[in-house]
Amino acid sequence: RKEVEQDPGPFNVPEGATVAFNCTYSNSASQSFFWYRQDCRKEPKLLMSVYSSGNEDGRFTAQLNRASQYISLLIRDSKLSDSATYLCVATDSSYKLIFGSGTRLLVRP
Amino acid sequence: EPEVTQTPSHQVTQMGQEVILRCVPISNHLYFYWYRQILGQKVEFLVSFYNNEISEKSEIFDDQFSVERPDGSNFTLKIRSTKLEDSAMYFCASTERSSYNEQFFGPGTRLTVL
Repeated sequence: RKEVEQDPGPFNVPEGATVAFNCTYSNSASQSFFWYRQDCRKEPKLLMSVYSSGNEDGRFTAQLNRASQYISLLIRDSKLSDSATYLCVATDSSYKLIFGSGTRLLVRP
Repeated sequence: EPEVTQTPSHQVTQMGQEVILRCVPISNHLYFYWYRQILGQKVEFLVSFYNNEISEKSEIFDDQFSVERPDGSNFTLKIRSTKLEDSAMYFCASTERSSYNEQFFGPGTRLTVL
């Protein structure tokens, strides 16, 4: 079973749409969770950390469900510049990052 | 804003040659990492480094790989005898503390083994 699993997409949405990505993780001992964004052939960049209480940063909302080992990311009012691959990330007990394969988002005009 | 830097941005080498990938982590960070990403695949952990020694290494990080912090600023990854399957993007990352902190990634070195 993959440690961090995501739907690869692509999600093709119009500007202004709301889009949601889901992710599951297999290691119940994972402590920290993140969403990173990766543009083509670039390094991963932190989009936001994910907290048990849920957290919001502008148009982005992240949720964590520890019982279901499930993480989500909601993007409201999509912009063309949101087009990228979104990486779901969990840490293991030693805090190294375990990456999902990423979900590709294409926002069209 | 401080950032992680990596050199070179692209390295082309012949199979069997040694390569050294260089990274300058953010200056007050204490934990350093190398990850790699084969084209079209996910980012994979290679090794973590703290207090001048390896904290953890993955199965990928075999005897052909080594890391070093030769001075107070550089953090290097050496591949002794490159193989075709070593072709990938290699990302260096650093963080202030190991737990709950964002790992900041460098722009990566694209390694092409011919």
